[in-house]
Amino acid sequence: DAGVTQSPTHLIKTRGQQVTLRCSPISGHKSVSWYQQVLGQGPQFIFQYYEKEERGRGNFPDRFSARQFPNYSSELNVNALLLGDSALYLCASRPRGVSGNTEAFFGQGTRLTVV
Amino acid sequence: QQQVKQSPQSLIVQKGGISIINCAYENTAFDYFPWYQQFPGKGPALLIAIRPDVSEKKEGRFTISFNKSAKQFSLHIMDSQPGDSATYFCAASSFPARNAGNMLTFGGGTRLMVKP
Repeated sequence: DAGVTQSPTHLIKTRGQQVTLRCSPISGHKSVSWYQQVLGQGPQFIFQYYEKEERGRGNFPDRFSARQFPNYSSELNVNALLLGDSALYLCASRPRGVSGNTEAFFGQGTRLTVV
Repeated sequence: QQQVKQSPQSLIVQKGGISIINCAYENTAFDYFPWYQQFPGKGPALLIAIRPDVSEKKEGRFTISFNKSAKQFSLHIMDSQPGDSATYFCAASSFPARNAGNMLTFGGGTRLMVKP
């Protein structure tokens, strides 16, 4: 069975540019969350989506946005990139949405470098 | 307060020894406590998780001990192996309010090195 897949695996962008990261959850999983992991730190929650609706948002600026598609895949968009946005962006999927604390499974992440 | 504090930041253990990583939380609404293992360049992988209705959970060489009154939980890796060398993260989440998310709050991580 395929796990959570993210694309691309690596990305280099220039300050001020925009970036779109993609995530496909495990088959049958309907909830997708996004996390930012700066080098040497634990992941920080950005968004959670379930049934195409935003169900949670972390403490990130409006430059960060996301959406979920009918097939439960998701995109994370970051506008006006800053050097501080350089991080590993992780996608996690869960079997259910907000009806309980089920296990979250992470993808391998997208390493974003802003220069 | 949503913070989860993890210690130590780094740990060196001899092969066959016991690795112990500790976490403390403040939010009494947390009711799910997973541990993740992360290798360089990879995403976190779920190791083991516990809910506050039990004080201990064991899966193979990995054991979680949970102290609800102290708001602390720990991961014990028995018979540590060089292949266990990785970064370990504790996390916590609470049962979500209606239509709200169930985000994971992570500790800062512990870099474990198991010497042969």
